[in-house]
Amino acid sequence: DAGVIQSPRHEVTEMGQEVTLRCKPISGHNSLFWYRQTMMRGLELLIYFNNNVPIDDSGMPEDRFSAKMPNASFSTLKIQPSEPRDSAVYFCASSRDSIQETQYFGPGTRLLVL
Amino acid sequence: AQSVTQLDSQVPVFEEAPVELRCNYSSSVSVYLFWYVQYPNQGLQLLLKYLSGSTLVKGINGFEAEFNKSQTSFHLRKPSVHISDTAEYFCAVKGGYNKLIFGAGTRLAVHP
Repeated sequence: DAGVIQSPRHEVTEMGQEVTLRCKPISGHNSLFWYRQTMMRGLELLIYFNNNVPIDDSGMPEDRFSAKMPNASFSTLKIQPSEPRDSAVYFCASSRDSIQETQYFGPGTRLLVL
Repeated sequence: AQSVTQLDSQVPVFEEAPVELRCNYSSSVSVYLFWYVQYPNQGLQLLLKYLSGSTLVKGINGFEAEFNKSQTSFHLRKPSVHISDTAEYFCAVKGGYNKLIFGAGTRLAVHP
């Protein structure tokens, strides 16, 4: 299996621009998670999908952030407009739907907003 | 609410020495515990997990962890570390809705 695939791996953009991060979960996994990692705040769960439906988006920082999962094999995280404080590494993870299942992480997207 | 505390933010150690990375958790429900490793510029990789059964769990790369319910701990150990073990290590507990609740991480630095 190819594992969780994220694109792009690196993104540099200017403040105010729209940023779209992409994730392809492992085939057969029906839970998908978006995380943000920063030095100051560590790993934060932004949103969690189960069977393509958002279950918990309490970690989404504000309305500038939105996430979608139009089908079982694709999800996007969008920031519009982007701000310098959004600079971070964004991880996507997937798992089967069970509390005992392991979450598998993608390689991350390193975002820098100038 | 569930939470995880990693007691050391950084652990320096010499190559071939033993190491213990400490993790304490709080949970009012069944406990499922995980250790992940993050190498520089990479995603998180599962080292080991405790679901039930034997309290001593063996993982990849020679790591093991012991679940101690009375002390609410899940410390990670390795008897002899290598330079290649230099990484950040995260302890996590499963919360509601299949979510992982992570500790702040421990940076292990192995010196020659």
